[in-house]
Order: sequence, then structure tokens, then C-alpha cells
Amino acid sequence: KNEVEQSPQNLTAQEGEFITINCSYSVGISALHWLQQHPGGGIVSLFMLSSGKKKHGRLIATINIQEKHSSLHITASHPRDSAVYICAVRSWDGGATNKLIFGTGTLLAVQP
Amino acid sequence: DVKVTQSSRYLVKRTGEKVFLECVQDMDHENMFWYRQDPGLGLRLIYFSYDVKMKEKGDIPEGYSVSREKKERFSLILESASTNQTSMYLCASSPHTAYQETQYFGPGTRLLVL
Repeated sequence: KNEVEQSPQNLTAQEGEFITINCSYSVGISALHWLQQHPGGGIVSLFMLSSGKKKHGRLIATINIQEKHSSLHITASHPRDSAVYICAVRSWDGGATNKLIFGTGTLLAVQP
Repeated sequence: DVKVTQSSRYLVKRTGEKVFLECVQDMDHENMFWYRQDPGLGLRLIYFSYDVKMKEKGDIPEGYSVSREKKERFSLILESASTNQTSMYLCASSPHTAYQETQYFGPGTRLLVL
């Protein structure tokens, strides 16, 4: 079983829909990241969370540390949101190195 | 603006060739990472470096080596390329010892080994 699980693996939505992508993890963490990867490969960091909720534009990320679960929400989705969304956690091993454990990603396609 | 660059976007090599992938960051970051990304497996850490001339194995180091002679440059070396090393390779960097710091990624190199 992967230490970081995402669902769904694939998601197709109509423009304007509210989208939720889920991430569950099984290790203790110091932080959780949501990343976006567009076709062509480049990865961009969207959020870094250790508790609560963060909002940036139409994107909202929440985390529940007790339940070891995070969600990424996209409001009023647009075709340009089409990308792979990746959840990654930094496991709490007390070490100094910033190693991440990655989920396998959610492929989102937003249709006009 | 933060920048991580990789030497090639696409690369085609033959089995047995020695392959060099280069990564350069201009943010004076201590930590640098090499990942490979394969469908259904996500990103997997090959090697990382937390200082010049320092390196540590990641989760899948077999068949790879790395070099960090200068702080801004981290090279991934495939000593004898094999077809199972066909993949997307991503480099990243981050500041040192900041438990919650973001990693900044390069654009990736798509390597095909024939």
C-alpha cells in the first residue's frame, strides 16, 4: 500500500463545476504539498499546509491532521485547470533533509 | 524569480551509452534532488544532495550516480543506459533544513533509451 493515496485517479469535469481531489497518507508528517503539473512536465507548487486551510484564487486546500487527510478544491473550474494534481508529504522523521513522498497524481480534464 | 533549468527537454540514447543529465538552480539552495516519474508510480527519488560534494541515495538509486561539484549544479549520470531507464527525469531544489519548505522543480527531461 502506498504511503500517499490520491483519489480519484482521473477526473473529467464540465467548465464551472466545483472539483474536489482527495489525498490520504499513512505516515506522520510535518507538511503536505499540493503540486500542479501541466502537459509538458513542469511542476509548480500550489500549496504547502501543516494545518487548517489555505486559499489562493479559486483554489482551496484543507488538511485534517488527525484523520491524515487533505483535499484540494477548485471552484468555478476552467479548461486551463486541466493538469495532473499531485499530493506530496514530508514525513516526520526528525531529519534535516526535505524529502517528499508523492502520490501518483490525479489527472483532471475540464471540458468547455 | 526562482529558476531551475535542465540541460535537455528530450533525449534519445542507445542501450549501453553513458548519459549525463544536468540541473542548474540560481537560488543558492543547499538541497537538490533527482526524481524519475513513470505512469502509475508517481515521482520517485533517485538521489539527493544537501551540500556540495555530498550525496545520499534515494529510493531507487540502482543504475544511477550523481555529481555535485558546485552548489548550483547537480548532475545525474546513467553509467550504462538501459531501456528500463526510459522515463521523465525531474530535478528540484530547496533551501536547507527548512522542514516545511517548498521544492522548486525544473521542466523535466524526457529520456528514451532504445
